[in-house]
Amino acid sequence: QQQVRQSSQSLTVWEGETAILNCSYENSAFDYFPWYQQFPGEGPALLIAIRSVSDKKEDGRFTIFFNKREKNLSLHIKDSQPGDSATYFCAASAPSSGQKLVFGQGTILKVYL
Amino acid sequence: DMKVTQMPRYLIKRMGENVLLECGQDMSHETMYWYRQDPGLGLQLIYISYDVDSNSEGDIPKGYRVSRKKREHFSLILDSAKTNQTSVYFCASSFGGNSGNTLYFGEGSRLIVV
Repeated sequence: QQQVRQSSQSLTVWEGETAILNCSYENSAFDYFPWYQQFPGEGPALLIAIRSVSDKKEDGRFTIFFNKREKNLSLHIKDSQPGDSATYFCAASAPSSGQKLVFGQGTILKVYL
Repeated sequence: DMKVTQMPRYLIKRMGENVLLECGQDMSHETMYWYRQDPGLGLQLIYISYDVDSNSEGDIPKGYRVSRKKREHFSLILDSAKTNQTSVYFCASSFGGNSGNTLYFGEGSRLIVV
């Protein structure tokens, strides 16, 4: 059973558009939700993260919107650039999980000129 | 320099052979991880290590074992590799303590079992 689920396996947007990547989760105990970005041939790297006490986290062109009641969150990438083309992983962890981070399946984002 | 180094980067093994994947980090992180990445499945946790000789199973430990004899080094061992263990394996490290710490990943080790 997938504890963290990303609704799209792939997403294509044009340069300048806002890309929206969606994620949902099962475990109500999850309280930390990072998004990791992975380029081909590289390991994932932390992009932005939010804790469940907040409903929004912004860092430049990247914003997480979090809905605790609905158990879902989304990553918005404003003014998408070709350099944003990558795989994005939603992840989650709980205080009782012993630092274990559970990842979603990933969404492959392609930004076209 | 904050770095997680994995060796080897590419490996082809025959079914039944033993496989050793090695990982090192230079950040003195207490916690280290081994994940595997498969298309459509994302990253799945194989093992987590909280410090030297303090290892715990992740979600898919069957067919794998680990060794951590030094804080900066974490090995993944496949005894008698199987074709369904063909995958990309990622090592990661983080500070210990509470959840919510950033994981730093290596570049991955691509294993093909034929």
